[in-house]
Amino acid sequence: GAGVSQSPSNKVTEKGKDVELRCDPISGHTALYWYRQSLGQGLEFLIYFQGNSAPDKSGLPSDRFSAERTGGSVSTLTIQRTQQEDSAVYLCASSPVEGRNTEAFFGQGTRLTVV
Amino acid sequence: GQNIDQPTEMTATEGAIVQINCTYQTSGFNGLFWYQQHAGEAPTFLSYNVLDGLEEKGRFSSFLSRSKGYSYLLLKELQMKDSASYLCAVSSGGSYIPTFGRGTSLIVHP
Repeated sequence: GAGVSQSPSNKVTEKGKDVELRCDPISGHTALYWYRQSLGQGLEFLIYFQGNSAPDKSGLPSDRFSAERTGGSVSTLTIQRTQQEDSAVYLCASSPVEGRNTEAFFGQGTRLTVV
Repeated sequence: GQNIDQPTEMTATEGAIVQINCTYQTSGFNGLFWYQQHAGEAPTFLSYNVLDGLEEKGRFSSFLSRSKGYSYLLLKELQMKDSASYLCAVSSGGSYIPTFGRGTSLIVHP
């Protein structure tokens, strides 16, 4: 596709359930980021994938959060035992190169609501 | 860690000029980015500065002073469509992961 694609666009889940959020980066982009944005807040860094290197997980808020990137392309962010404070918009972005200042292309995000 | 500070909200008149400031504290500075985010939409890249000085791109310009930990985004000839949130982000360290400020909500009125 032409841009970063995220699915689902909206997700409502019950507290305690697990959710999976998907990100399809722009083809050929080696760097992939996950951020989350709560109402009125800035983008909070979660995790960064850089080519074949080990991901930078320093932003994950708890061990309930995990992410994978298969084949250097599609990424899945999993949140286990969701809590109400997990409600936010989860944004994925990709860049053509890692280890350098380059423009990040963002997807439209997944709006997660935990009830 | 990093500390990025920008005003929460600004208002301006259509056709005017507005300057949105961003101050930061970080070690191992690599670069500073500005993104625009309309309500309910994805952030889109506006500019980045690595060296001190002014980068001009059409109606938008961005300035950086590394010694002062300071940047600003200058928007000229404001249009109603410029009403959006403007995000300042700083990249530092070996990973080049951008850290974002909370954003400045700009309201342009007629």
